Amino acid sequence: AAGVIQSPRHLIKEKRETATLKCYPIPRHDTVYWYQQGPGQDPQFLISFYEKMQSDKGSIPDRFSAQQFSDYHSELNMSSLELGDSALYFCASSALVGGDYGYTFGSGTRLTVV
Amino acid sequence: DAKTTQPNSMESNEEEPVHLPCNHSTISGTDYIHWYRQLPSQGPEYVIHGLTSNVNNRMASLAIAEDRKSSTLILHRATLRDAAVYYCILRRDQGAQKLVFGQGTRLTINP
Repeated sequence: AAGVIQSPRHLIKEKRETATLKCYPIPRHDTVYWYQQGPGQDPQFLISFYEKMQSDKGSIPDRFSAQQFSDYHSELNMSSLELGDSALYFCASSALVGGDYGYTFGSGTRLTVV
Repeated sequence: DAKTTQPNSMESNEEEPVHLPCNHSTISGTDYIHWYRQLPSQGPEYVIHGLTSNVNNRMASLAIAEDRKSSTLILHRATLRDAAVYYCILRRDQGAQKLVFGQGTRLTINP
């Protein structure tokens, strides 16, 4: 079965650079979520999109922005990168399954800022 | 979001059953109980979910207390590949809502 695809898997950037992370949800999943997981931390919700509109926002820095495109893929844009942005970034998509929403996560993008 | 409480860590032996507890005393009537697990350097993986009745699937069983203030994830026969952090998450039935991860239980499986 198709899964959530994230690219790239690994990314190394220098401080103050920009990074773009991509997420391709499972076909017919209408909602995409972005999470950040720092070393030894639990995943923290950043932002979500439903039908290409922002549906919820968490503790996402102003330096970050995201959007969902007409083909439902989503991109997380990160500017003025800081060392503290080094983390695993996960994307998830969801759809209504058996009366409740099922969520599928991608394998993540590991961002290292040096 | 209603909170859940899980032990920081648990340990079990291979091929033995594992019972992972979760307390959610402030659960509301429309909250679904979801369990996800995360293996090292991987994205969270769906395990099981339920509302009121006990649930079984190929991965695990979910036992929900009658008052719904607690639940237990049961791995019937643990393998080394079950070593992961297990998250118990309440999801309100209000359309597509984000999952809020709290502190999960780090499960160690001894060979």
